[in-house]
Amino acid sequence: ETGVTQSPTHLIKTRGQQVTLRCSSQSGHNTVSWYQQALGQGPQFIFQYYREEENGRGNFPPRFSGLQFPNYSSELNVNALELDDSALYLCASSNTPGGRTEAFFGQGTRLTVV
Amino acid sequence: AQSVTQLDSHVSVSEGTPVLLRCNYSSSYSPSLFWYVQHPNKGLQLLLKYTSAATLVKGINGFEAEFKKSETSFHLTKPSAHMSDAAEYFCVVSEGSSNTGKLIFGQGTTLQVKP
Repeated sequence: ETGVTQSPTHLIKTRGQQVTLRCSSQSGHNTVSWYQQALGQGPQFIFQYYREEENGRGNFPPRFSGLQFPNYSSELNVNALELDDSALYLCASSNTPGGRTEAFFGQGTRLTVV
Repeated sequence: AQSVTQLDSHVSVSEGTPVLLRCNYSSSYSPSLFWYVQHPNKGLQLLLKYTSAATLVKGINGFEAEFKKSETSFHLTKPSAHMSDAAEYFCVVSEGSSNTGKLIFGQGTTLQVKP
């Protein structure tokens, strides 16, 4: 088990609503990345936060936004939910933002949009 | 642009026989390569990583992978499969010089282990 915790574990929302997912990074880690994993697919990079600033973004619309707090925990916010947003959302923390660093993943939040 | 192709969506082996999960990558820069495993209802766990050191990388639970630049491959192997190895496996590439650490995942290979 990693030290990365995500909440909630499961969530059901209605199309058009807004949702906030939370992630506590592993102790000593200052970087948090978010991924979306649709059923039967590999995870897709949404964005990364490093020292409270967005540090890279994947091919996701602006209604996907995030925050990182001084304690390095993070939130993922999704506005105007669509049915296709139904997925497992994974948070990963690391001790640097670079490409050679091991990322530690949480167990994910399963979001269902109906 | 970086990409990863896992050549088999599903691999089935008998317990005690060797495991081979195939992965090809594409990267313009010196890549970092990883294999992650995902058990049902659990998060992703790192099996092993290559970051430009030794080309034969040993990981946890008896898994290893060999980085072959000429073939742009990073296949995962294990000499003897165990029932507990049944899971989803992802080959992952990251741009080694990147400042963002963005991970590019393959589509995954489901490993089935038969008794």
